Amino acid sequence: ETGVTQSPTHLIKTRGQQVTLRCSSQSGHNTVSWYQQALGQGPQFIFQYYREEENGRGNFPPRFSGLQFPNYSSELNVNALELDDSALYLCASSSAGTGALETQYFGPGTRLLVL
Amino acid sequence: SQKIEQNSEALNIQEGKTATLTCNYTNYSPAYLQWYRQDPGRGPVFLLLIRENEKEKRKERLKVTFDTTLKQSLFHITASQPADSATYLCASIPVSGGYNKLIFGAGTRLAVHP
Repeated sequence: ETGVTQSPTHLIKTRGQQVTLRCSSQSGHNTVSWYQQALGQGPQFIFQYYREEENGRGNFPPRFSGLQFPNYSSELNVNALELDDSALYLCASSSAGTGALETQYFGPGTRLLVL
Repeated sequence: SQKIEQNSEALNIQEGKTATLTCNYTNYSPAYLQWYRQDPGRGPVFLLLIRENEKEKRKERLKVTFDTTLKQSLFHITASQPADSATYLCASIPVSGGYNKLIFGAGTRLAVHP
């Protein structure tokens, strides 16, 4: 089975720009979660998608949005980038759907730098 | 607010010794706790899961305990090796979570010296 992949691996943007990050979930997984990890911190939950619907959101503003496609791959979009958005963005997939206690499998992340 | 705390100081130990990492949670009751390993610039890798009704879980050289009275989980690596050097993250979902929103601690960096 293939693991979780993310693209691009690194990205540099300037303040005010928009960015799209991509994630391909592990084969057979229908749920994708996105996390933001600042340097020296643990990952912070952004939102989760289950069967193409947003299924829970963390404490992030609306300029963070996402999509999940019929093949369960996903995008994270961030508008009006701010310097504090510089972080490692992690995608995690699972086969659980809502409320089940399942292991999440993380991708390698996209390192975003906002100048 | 719901919080997980891990010892922010790096843990330095000698090869062959047992490493013990601590995870404390406040203001909620986790359905379970997970431990992940994270290497620099990489995504977390799942290691072990322990449920609220379990006291202890083992996997090879790894052992996790869950004490709901102390609101604490301990993660042990026995016979540690330099290859075990990494950041270890504790994560959980609250009992009332409803979806797979993981709450992570900041992680503890472990350095195993030859």
